[in-house]
Amino acid sequence: AQSVTQPDIHITVSEGASLELRCNYSYGATPYLFWYVQSPGQGLQLLLKYFSGDTLVQGIKGFEAEFKRSQSSFNLRKPSVHWSDAAEYFCAVSGNTPLVFGKGTRLSVIA
Amino acid sequence: DAGVTQSPTHLIKTRGQQVTLRCSPKSGHDTVSWYQQALGQGPQFIFQYYEEEERQRGNFPDRFSGHQFPNYSSELNVNALLLGDSALYLCASSLLVSGVSTDTQYFGPGTRLTVL
Repeated sequence: AQSVTQPDIHITVSEGASLELRCNYSYGATPYLFWYVQSPGQGLQLLLKYFSGDTLVQGIKGFEAEFKRSQSSFNLRKPSVHWSDAAEYFCAVSGNTPLVFGKGTRLSVIA
Repeated sequence: DAGVTQSPTHLIKTRGQQVTLRCSPKSGHDTVSWYQQALGQGPQFIFQYYEEEERQRGNFPDRFSGHQFPNYSSELNVNALLLGDSALYLCASSLLVSGVSTDTQYFGPGTRLTVL
């Protein structure tokens, strides 16, 4: 069965610092991979997705993610974090099946 | 271009009652999926509707049922509410092409259900 692990429950970074959120997945075939962001009390906004091709994917708001098949990972990165990036981040996997989400990583940004 | 909309925003019910949540998909989308997000958890898939039929279903009891209308909008019904049904209910829409989901799901803002 598909599964997603986000090892970090909560991460705190300083504004302007770089960010990497970890995501590991389990899936039998080539997965479709996604990162969503959720602000408090809001729905999910799609940041980026990987279906095939170039393993480095660019998304909105300056985020990127790299698919590494050998490590079953799809980590999210941003070179310089802004205070408005504080939110909950979810990694998800699918393959013509419903999305399976990780439990999320809460990002706090300090001045 | 309207995104996914959901109503109501918030709802308070008591145990044993029934509730109906509504969702309108993003313009051009024909598939609606419902997810339950408990506090501090990631969303969990409930079911998906396409062409007015339930296409896939997650591990939820029969108390959870749904419907899709000809205009692609959808309802989620929950009967005999339990305290554990308190959650954020998210609707997502997508497009099915030749029977294959494009797998890019766009989410609405959710309905916060509180069961007392």
